[in-house]
Amino acid sequence: DSGVTQTPKHLITATGQRVTLRCSPRSGDLSVYWYQQSLDQGLQFLIQYYNGEERAKGNILERFSAQQFPDLHSELNLSSLELGDSALYFCASSVVPGGGLGDTQYFGPGTRLTVL
Amino acid sequence: DAKTTQPTSMDCAEGRAANLPCNHSTISGNEYVYWYRQIHSQGPQYIIHGLKNNETNEMASLIITEDRKSSTLILPHATLRDTAVYYCIVRVAFGNEKLTFGTGTRLTIIP
Repeated sequence: DSGVTQTPKHLITATGQRVTLRCSPRSGDLSVYWYQQSLDQGLQFLIQYYNGEERAKGNILERFSAQQFPDLHSELNLSSLELGDSALYFCASSVVPGGGLGDTQYFGPGTRLTVL
Repeated sequence: DAKTTQPTSMDCAEGRAANLPCNHSTISGNEYVYWYRQIHSQGPQYIIHGLKNNETNEMASLIITEDRKSSTLILPHATLRDTAVYYCIVRVAFGNEKLTFGTGTRLTIIP
């Protein structure tokens, strides 16, 4: 158990819908990362937040957005869903971003999104 | 971040040491070598990381060659629960926090 929690574990929805994935980082971690894992693309970095502020963006679609709240939990919002958005979505957290031993990322168990 | 090359798959007998190689010939002096594994569709699990010295923890040992162009992850006594995809990732220590995952090595532990 990494200490990172994600809800829900599974999500089944239809094309065109909007969903919200939630992540609670490990106690004391300030940085949250979102990754997507699809069959054809592997594990890809989407976006990172540090202490409530967006810090880095990866291959995140404009239909996707995220935020980190004052209690440090984060939400990933996916809208206008398409079949190709079906994937595992992982959240990771670290104490601090980008520096030394404290930035090791620990991953949550993921949310499996199925778009029908 | 430097690119890594890993074998696509490997087998190891249960109870033996599993040695997983990784080539990172273009690694820079400020880049760490990280290892993660992913068991089935679970979240990636951090194993170990190092800069240039060999490292050991309760899960594994990491051996980095003197020129730092390759490394080996060693699981000393493999069990069936070690069957997973193992990712070797090279990452700058400062300024680029994302992890770039390749295709990894699918390690199968044989009973």
